[in-house]
Amino acid sequence: AQTVTQSQPEMSVQEAETVTLSCTYDTSENNYYLFWYKQPPSRQMILVIRQEAYKQQNATENRFSVNFQKAAKSFSLKISDSQLGDTAMYFCAFMNQGGKLIFGQGTELSVKP
Amino acid sequence: AAGVIQSPRHLIKEKRETATLKCYPIPRHDTVYWYQQGPGQDPQFLISFYEKMQSDKGSIPDRFSAQQFSDYHSELNMSSLELGDSALYFCASTRQTMNTEAFFGQGTRLTVV
Repeated sequence: AQTVTQSQPEMSVQEAETVTLSCTYDTSENNYYLFWYKQPPSRQMILVIRQEAYKQQNATENRFSVNFQKAAKSFSLKISDSQLGDTAMYFCAFMNQGGKLIFGQGTELSVKP
Repeated sequence: AAGVIQSPRHLIKEKRETATLKCYPIPRHDTVYWYQQGPGQDPQFLISFYEKMQSDKGSIPDRFSAQQFSDYHSELNMSSLELGDSALYFCASTRQTMNTEAFFGQGTRLTVV
């Protein structure tokens, strides 16, 4: 069975600084997708970034980038130039072949002015 | 662009009552996933449907049932409601031939009193 672990329940960062959220996962599959979702107070689930396991190149999306280490089963999210609007719960998620998502426990990020 | 539509957005029910949640996937999406997110918890997979057939099953109580209709919309039926069923229920949809990302609805917040 697949599992996803986020070991940082809470994190805080000063506005304009950089923060890294950690995520590890466990799977025996070779082809899969990894995601970071943002859940602001509205509780809407917003996709931040996606990584295909077969791609060695780390995904980037504007201020968001990942460090994907397939052998180590690690998938961290780096947020550069943090903004107040980045304050939210962040979930790391694994998608299996069937499309089911398995989420980590979440990291609550606070961006302070 | 059309998104996943869930209705109702909010629902208040009493214990032992029945609730029906509806999900309308993005046009041409053939797969629907249901997730339950309790307060302070990560989303948990309940059940999924592909082409109107159940494709996967997670931690869905026997009191709950779901189906996908010919127009691909899905309904989650919840009977004998308990206080612990109070949660945010998400629906997500994908297209199996392009199964690289799940698109989430805004969720239905169910409160059982």
